[in-house]
Amino acid sequence: DSGVTQTPKHLITATGQRVTLRCSPRSGDLSVYWYQQSLDQGLQFLIQYYNGEERAKGNILERFSAQQFPDLHSELNLSSLELGDSALYFCASSALTTSVNNEQFFGPGTRLTVL
Amino acid sequence: DAKTTQPPSMDCAEGRAANLPCNHSTISGNEYVYWYRQIHSQGPQYIIHGLKNNETNEMASLIITEDRKSSTLILPHATLRDTAVYYCIVLRGSQGNLIFGKGTKLSVKP
Repeated sequence: DSGVTQTPKHLITATGQRVTLRCSPRSGDLSVYWYQQSLDQGLQFLIQYYNGEERAKGNILERFSAQQFPDLHSELNLSSLELGDSALYFCASSALTTSVNNEQFFGPGTRLTVL
Repeated sequence: DAKTTQPPSMDCAEGRAANLPCNHSTISGNEYVYWYRQIHSQGPQYIIHGLKNNETNEMASLIITEDRKSSTLILPHATLRDTAVYYCIVLRGSQGNLIFGKGTKLSVKP
């Protein structure tokens, strides 16, 4: 158990819909990362937050957005869903962004299926 | 960040050492070598990291060549539970996000 929790575990929805994925980092970790894993693209970094502020952006679509709340939990919002958005979405957390030990702890993931 | 090259797959007998190579010929002086693994569809798991010295922890050893252009992850006594995809990642010390390649699929066989 990494200490990172993600809800829901599974999500099935239709094209055009909007969903919200939730992540609670390990106690004390200030950084939260979101990754997407699809069959054709592999594991891809989407976005990072540090203590409530966006720190880095990766291959995140404009239809996707995220935020980190004062209690440090994070949400990833996916809108206007397309079939190609079906994937595993992982959240990870780490203690510091400037630490040379960038050990990230991953949650169990949310499996999104868009029908 | 420097790119890495890993063999797509490897087999290892249970109880034997698994040696997973990684090439990172364009690595720069302030970049670290990290190893993660992903068992089936679980979240990736950190294994070990290093800069230029060899490192060992309870899970594995990391051997980095003197020129830092390649490294080897060693699982000293592989078990069936070590069957996973192993990712070698190079990143700067202050860089947060991980850039995953295709990794090496390690199959440990009885």
